[in-house]
Amino acid sequence: EVQLVESGGGLVKPGGSLRLSCAASGFTFSSYSMNWVRQAPGKGLEWVSSISPTSDYIYYADSVKGRFTISRDNAKSSLYLQLNSLRAEDTAVYYCTRKNYYGSIGYYDSWGQGTLVTVSS
Amino acid sequence: DIQLTQSPSFLSASVGDRVTITCRASQGISSYLAWFQQKPGKAPKLLIFGASTLQDGVPSRFSGSGSGTEFTLTIGSLQPEDFATYYCQQFNSYPQTFGQGTKVGIK
Repeated sequence: EVQLVESGGGLVKPGGSLRLSCAASGFTFSSYSMNWVRQAPGKGLEWVSSISPTSDYIYYADSVKGRFTISRDNAKSSLYLQLNSLRAEDTAVYYCTRKNYYGSIGYYDSWGQGTLVTVSS
Repeated sequence: DIQLTQSPSFLSASVGDRVTITCRASQGISSYLAWFQQKPGKAPKLLIFGASTLQDGVPSRFSGSGSGTEFTLTIGSLQPEDFATYYCQQFNSYPQTFGQGTKVGIK
């Protein structure tokens, strides 16, 4: 069974930093692109960042570019998101997702339970 | 960036109703679209990918159609467990944007 378990969320002051982790199990982690998606309280889903299986390709939303860094450790089956220069508008539940493919068609077939990041003084 | 616009943003319906949600893309995305269902306090759940392919384990009352810029999610006969918020997401290009969501409430 595919499992994605996020951790590392919490309360942080504006300008602060946090590192989120996602522990994956039940599949060959090194074969899949992985992603972070966030959801502000009472709001919709926002794609944040994606990383290819061997970290060759990395993408960020404009809203986080230059402040957040996605990375992965295939030996540990883990995905990370380093959040720096945090702002109030970064307050959200952060989900780790797996990207699967059907031919050339990609889709997020597995999601973690999410970890809450609250940015407040 | 590709924008996805869902309509309506909210709809109220009764058990047994046929429900249709539309997702329009600001430019053509072929069939690179997925639909998700999200219930309060839970992670989104994949319903459909490739615009029309039902994910394993998803009831057959859910169906998807469309290509290019206009897509629909249809619930053939609404069940009590279907009251939730639905999102579309495009996988044509980065950023892999979501629609703003459609909340399906009880009439």
